[in-house]
Amino acid sequence: GAVVSQHPSWVICKSGTSVKIECRSLDFQATTMFWYRQFPKQSLMLMATSNEGSKATYEQGVEKDKFLINHASLTLSTLTVTSAHPEDSSFYICSARFAAIGETQYFGPGTRLLVL
Amino acid sequence: AQSVAQPEDQVNVAEGNPLTVKCTYSVSGNPYLFWYVQYPNRGLQFLLKYITGDNLVKGSYGFEAEFNKSQTSFHLKKPSALVSDSALYFCAVRVLSGGYNKLIFGAGTRLAVHP
Repeated sequence: GAVVSQHPSWVICKSGTSVKIECRSLDFQATTMFWYRQFPKQSLMLMATSNEGSKATYEQGVEKDKFLINHASLTLSTLTVTSAHPEDSSFYICSARFAAIGETQYFGPGTRLLVL
Repeated sequence: AQSVAQPEDQVNVAEGNPLTVKCTYSVSGNPYLFWYVQYPNRGLQFLLKYITGDNLVKGSYGFEAEFNKSQTSFHLKKPSALVSDSALYFCAVRVLSGGYNKLIFGAGTRLAVHP
């Protein structure tokens, strides 16, 4: 199956700093990438959808200026949490989809962010 | 409103017994349905999907799911459970929103398989 990686797998940072998370599709070109957030014992919440070379589409209630998404190439998308605060602590998961291979989204292993 | 429901927070089953994890959906048009599994501190792994065709879909690790249009259900099944199947299972449906296809996930069902 298709492989999606994320880096880092976990990160601890101080309040007020920015953190960048990378999502890469390793064996296919992802026309669309998705960023999710998952709170403990809860389901996934879609934050934004990004298509290569265009601006991300954010879900209602997600702050664009706080969660910066860049999808610069067909294999890389980044999520930057700017001026992180403790309430941003969460598990962030990306997924990738390549339209030519169908509707299935393939997920990365996730990044756990802890903001102190 | 388009939605996915997983009515059980947890399912307990003995190893070797058949298991069922329930999922119902509400969408407009023909549904694209998915099952994913999540192990602790990991992302989601794709198990299977229904797009069209046979109502019984076979997927990874011996799992299968049955699409039932009249009951708007897509229950996940396995004939003989393994302890290693213990994990969190998510049902999802594709919806078109804001010009994009995206997945809506159920709340998840924790499967516990006991030796």
